Amino acid sequence: QQQVKQSPQSLIVQKGGISIINCAYENTAFDYFPWYQQFPGKGPALLIAIRPDVSEKKEGRFTISFNKSAKQFSLHIMDSQPGDSATYFCAASINDYKLSFGAGTTVTVRA
Amino acid sequence: GAGVSQSPSNKVTEKGKDVELRCDPISGHTALYWYRQSLGQGLEFLIYFQGNSAPDKSGLPSDRFSAERTGGSVSTLTIQRTQQEDSAVYLCASRRGLGETQYFGPGTRLLVL
Repeated sequence: QQQVKQSPQSLIVQKGGISIINCAYENTAFDYFPWYQQFPGKGPALLIAIRPDVSEKKEGRFTISFNKSAKQFSLHIMDSQPGDSATYFCAASINDYKLSFGAGTTVTVRA
Repeated sequence: GAGVSQSPSNKVTEKGKDVELRCDPISGHTALYWYRQSLGQGLEFLIYFQGNSAPDKSGLPSDRFSAERTGGSVSTLTIQRTQQEDSAVYLCASRRGLGETQYFGPGTRLLVL
């Protein structure tokens, strides 16, 4: 039973475009929502994270939008670059303890 | 020092054999996690260590799976009598403490024939 549902499974975007990945959760006790980026053959690496007391967090070209009432959060990649081609995982946890991951989204950025 | 390291990077074994997977966390990181990543799936939590203790083993899929950690550092995940459904990437992560980022190793790709 997956506690975090992620969509889409994959997406293709043109260089310079915007990539949007959505996640939804059920457990209202979750209080930490990170996004991880994974390249083939590598372990996931933390990209950006948010806590439910804010609705948006931006770091460079990456933005998390958080909707507490809808129990949804999303990752926006602005000005997508070929180097952003990777698999992205959303996750959630309580007290930053063990992470419950979404199924992942494979992003392909076409040059 | 360096990041989380795992060995072997790849392991091919025959059904029914036992395998041991090793994780070397970042020095000074007290918390250590094992996750499993199956093809097309997200990461699935297996077990959590705080120091040498494992207060949460709830993700271990069966009693064929066990793990230990010694000296508050290296951890070994053991799978006994491997089955084909055990084929996956096994990832280890460590962090310094609560509220700190979990850093992942590159994983061990296990293939059970």
